Amino acid sequence: DAGVIQSPRHEVTEMGQEVTLRCKPISGHNSLFWYRQTMMRGLELLIYFNNNVPIDDSGMPEDRFSAKMPNASFSTLKIQPSEPRDSAVYFCASSSFRVNYGYTFGSGTRLTVV
Amino acid sequence: DAKTTQPTSMDCAEGRAANLPCNHSTISGNEYVYWYRQIHSQGPQYIIHGLKNNETNEMASLIITEDRKSSTLILPHATLRDTAVYYCIATNYGGSQGNLIFGKGTKLSVKP
Repeated sequence: DAGVIQSPRHEVTEMGQEVTLRCKPISGHNSLFWYRQTMMRGLELLIYFNNNVPIDDSGMPEDRFSAKMPNASFSTLKIQPSEPRDSAVYFCASSSFRVNYGYTFGSGTRLTVV
Repeated sequence: DAKTTQPTSMDCAEGRAANLPCNHSTISGNEYVYWYRQIHSQGPQYIIHGLKNNETNEMASLIITEDRKSSTLILPHATLRDTAVYYCIATNYGGSQGNLIFGKGTKLSVKP
């Protein structure tokens, strides 16, 4: 299995632009999570889905952030408009209800908003 | 979720056992202890988890005290590649409930 696949690996964008981060979870996993990591705040859970349904988005910082999971093999995290304070590494993770081996994280997307 | 307390940093000599402590004195009966690590610039990696009994896998051993108020992650023969931040998390079943909340962890430095 290729693991959790995130794209792009790096993204540099100008303030005000729309940014879309993508995630392909491990096949067969039922849950998908989006995290953000900064030096100041560490790893923060933004939102998670069970069976493609958003369960808890209380960690999403503002209405500028939105996430979708149109099917079991794809999710997006969108920031519109982006701001410099959104600069961070964004991680996607997936897990299975049936087998508790914890979460499998992707390699992350490093976002820089200038 | 129960709060966990870990030392900020630890050093270990290469080839020796690394013993990483974690306090979780308010852990409830249905909460597991999970350990993850994050090597620089990579996503966190699941290591091991346990409820009451000690656990061992190919990566590490987890020793949980009888009263479950603390635990120790043991890397039996640390290598330079084990240098990472190690996170201890106490949570109920973390497979699907979105309650895997990461603290600051312990930065382990394995030295030659």
